[in-house]
Amino acid sequence: DTGVSQDPRHKITKRGQNVTFRCDPISEHNRLYWYRQTLGQGPEFLTYFQNEAQLEKSRLLSDRFSAERPKGSFSTLEIQRTEQGDSAMYLCASSRAGGFTDTQYFGPGTRLTVL
Amino acid sequence: AQKITQTQPGMFVQEKEAVTLDCTYDTSDQSYGLFWYKQPSSGEMIFLIYQGSYDEQNATEGRYSLNFQKARKSANLVISASQLGDSAMYFCAMREGQGGKLIFGQGTELSVKP
Repeated sequence: DTGVSQDPRHKITKRGQNVTFRCDPISEHNRLYWYRQTLGQGPEFLTYFQNEAQLEKSRLLSDRFSAERPKGSFSTLEIQRTEQGDSAMYLCASSRAGGFTDTQYFGPGTRLTVL
Repeated sequence: AQKITQTQPGMFVQEKEAVTLDCTYDTSDQSYGLFWYKQPSSGEMIFLIYQGSYDEQNATEGRYSLNFQKARKSANLVISASQLGDSAMYFCAMREGQGGKLIFGQGTELSVKP
């Protein structure tokens, strides 16, 4: 099986610019998740999709953040008007279905640096 | 509210020795899953092992085992015969019921000495 892939792996941008990240889940995985991880911390949940439907969004996901999964396959995470506090690793994960037994598999992450 | 606590910011272990990484959790749900992930310096999160709240036996995966003590709400990871490649951050995580998200602890940085 091909694992979860993310693009780009690294992004450097200036404050105020918009950035977009892409995540391709493991094929046949219905669920796709986005997390954010800052230095020295564990990942924090941002949002997740089941197929095309966005089922939950964290309070961390401000109005400047938007995520889509238009055809139930890949997903994009866009950050508008980036701020220095947005600098973090953005991790994508996918799983077959829901339930507490379902294992999430992570991609390599996109490291964002906002100057 | 669900919560994961990892009290060991850093641990050292001699190569070929066993090491235990601590994890305690807090939840009011009866159905939950506990997960351990490894994060090397390259950044990817690698799934190691899973334990369900209804599982009566401790989970094992190769050199990894999970010491699950439900009454104490602890889910410690045991790595046997440590290898230099085990040096990494280790995260404990929990997922409740039908919920989607994982809640992660702060992590433990493991260093394996030759």
